[in-house]
Amino acid sequence: QLQLQESGPGLVKPSETLSLTCTVSGGSIHSSSYYWGWIRQPPGKGLEWIGSIYYGGSTYYNPSLKSRVTISVDTSKNQFSLKLSSVTAADTAVYYCARQVVPADCSSTSCYRLDYWGQGTLVTVSS
Amino acid sequence: SYELTQPPSVSVSPGQTARITCSGDALAKKYAHWYQQKSGQAPVLVIYEDNKRPSGIPERFSGSRLGTMATLTISGAQVEDEADYYCYSTDTSGNSWVFGGGTKLTVL
Repeated sequence: QLQLQESGPGLVKPSETLSLTCTVSGGSIHSSSYYWGWIRQPPGKGLEWIGSIYYGGSTYYNPSLKSRVTISVDTSKNQFSLKLSSVTAADTAVYYCARQVVPADCSSTSCYRLDYWGQGTLVTVSS
Repeated sequence: SYELTQPPSVSVSPGQTARITCSGDALAKKYAHWYQQKSGQAPVLVIYEDNKRPSGIPERFSGSRLGTMATLTISGAQVEDEADYYCYSTDTSGNSWVFGGGTKLTVL
């Protein structure tokens, strides 16, 4: 059974960089069938897609966060990571990592569904 | 930036049919997926590619898409279906994914 687990500091100071890692177990991140994504949810609010990465390193980013986001992958450790710079209180959220399926029989990226999710980790931005 | 619009809330009695809509211009050509999120839990995929149901999801969950609107239908809603529901798709470029604002389903 595939499992994803987020890890990283639960408290980050304003203007600093938020760093999280997602460790994948029960499956390989080195697969042409998947992207790997980050999603966040501020307390009491809705879901926001942050970005996605392929095992080869190609990425998609949310345009509203693109200037501050870097997502990377380490296939040797079966992990992918998120860095969000210059954080403010508005970046306080539960951060989820998830697997994004790339269906072989669909040519549209809109087919790419998020099927397995981590449990999420709360990151608070505060001094 | 591109947005998917959902009603903030929907309320039905147990056994009734609940319909949750999601509208967005790009939906005319893009697939929609639907997620259920219960309080304090990670989202769960209930419908993908407009109308496909993952294994383990009850048959009462179904989906459709017509024009610029996608609809999640729960036929014979149960109390345990109370949750927030989110649609998910891409913008017209296909390079950016977006969630709808979410709909709180109340079954009582």
